This record gives sequence, structure tokens and C-alpha cells, in this order.
Amino acid sequence: QVQLQQWGAGLLKPSETLSLTCSVYGVSLRGYYWSWIRQPPGKGLEWIGEITHSGRTNYNPSLKSRVTMSVDTSKNQFSLKLTPVTAADTAVYYCASGFTMVQGILANWGQGTLVTVSS
Amino acid sequence: DIQMTQSPSSLSASVGDRVTITCQASQGISNRLNWYQQKPGKAPKLLIYDASNLEAGVSSRFSGSGSGTDFTFSIGSLQPEDIATYYCQQYDDLPDTFGQGTKLEI
Repeated sequence: QVQLQQWGAGLLKPSETLSLTCSVYGVSLRGYYWSWIRQPPGKGLEWIGEITHSGRTNYNPSLKSRVTMSVDTSKNQFSLKLTPVTAADTAVYYCASGFTMVQGILANWGQGTLVTVSS
Repeated sequence: DIQMTQSPSSLSASVGDRVTITCQASQGISNRLNWYQQKPGKAPKLLIYDASNLEAGVSSRFSGSGSGTDFTFSIGSLQPEDIATYYCQQYDDLPDTFGQGTKLEI
């Protein structure tokens, strides 16, 4: 059974760097796509991007210039960085994963982290 | 980006009712369409994948159908615990995109 536990700073100032990490329990990073999705307060879901265990990434073009994803196979973790942030990046951020080697089906989700960007 | 249009945006129904939500893609996506349930303050939960496949452990009162551009999600007999917002998501082409959501009230 796959479990995802995420953490990171919840309050940022404009121009700072959002940094979140998701620990994976129950499976190896190998063989899956590892995704990040966000949800502004009271709004819908936005796919940020995904990464494989080998470090291959796909990013949403709307965020691509500011996003970096990485994996740490030794710790069975993957991470998200977004910089510089603005108030528009205020959202609950989720990590997620799916079926073996299948992109796009998000079967397992982290608990979510509310990130607020405010001066 | 592929646009996903859900309707209705909100829906009020009674316990025991059959509820149907539709999702239309701006271009054909084959069957690469998933449905999620999100309760307040919680992460989304996968209910249906590949348009019509029930995720393991999900109640059989949930079902999905469709292919190409038009998809349907149904709850066969509405239960109180089904109060949630439901989202469709396409993954035929990157970036993955979601519908705007359907808020279901009882």
C-alpha cells in the first residue's frame, strides 16, 4: 500500500522559494510517475508536473519557467521547488502517484500542504 | 491545453437519487479520463480511471462511461457520505487538466 507524507514551509513572502518534499512509503520510487498538484483556496485543481525515479520531468508550461522537481532515491523522496513565488501561488499543494508506469492516473495522494504567500 | 468542461457546476439531490455529471473535452482524449471525489479539507480520491474502470475498494454505486470528447459519471443511489466535489481529469495530452468541479449537495 502506497503512502505519501509531505512537508514544507507554509508561509512565504513574495519572491521567495516554495520548497516541498514528499516521502514515499510502501513502494520504491522506481516504476512510477510522481506528481504535484495544487489547489488555490476555494478553487479547482491544477497539475504542476511529474517526475520519474530517473529524474525525467514533465512540467505544466504555465509554470515551467519557475518549477524544479527532483528525486532522492536513497531517501525514497521527491521534491518540488517553485521560485519566485507571488500571492497567486497561494494554494494547497499535493503530492500524488499512480499506477505502475502509467502516467496520469493519480491513485495515491499526500495529505496536502497549505502554502500562503503574503508580505 | 485540453479544456475540460464539467456540468453542472453544482447539484442538489436527495438520498437515493441517481446523480449524473458530464465532462466534455475540447478535443478527443480516447478513454484517458479519470474521476475524483474531494471532501472538504481532504485530498482528492480516485474513483474511476480510464473512463469506466472502478478503482479498487470504491463502491459499485459509482460508475463512468464515455470516450472521445463526452463522458458521464453517475452515482447509482446517492448516500449522505457522497457529499463532495467531483472532478474529471484528462491525461491524454500534457499538461494533464481537470474540470472545474461539480459540488454535490444533499
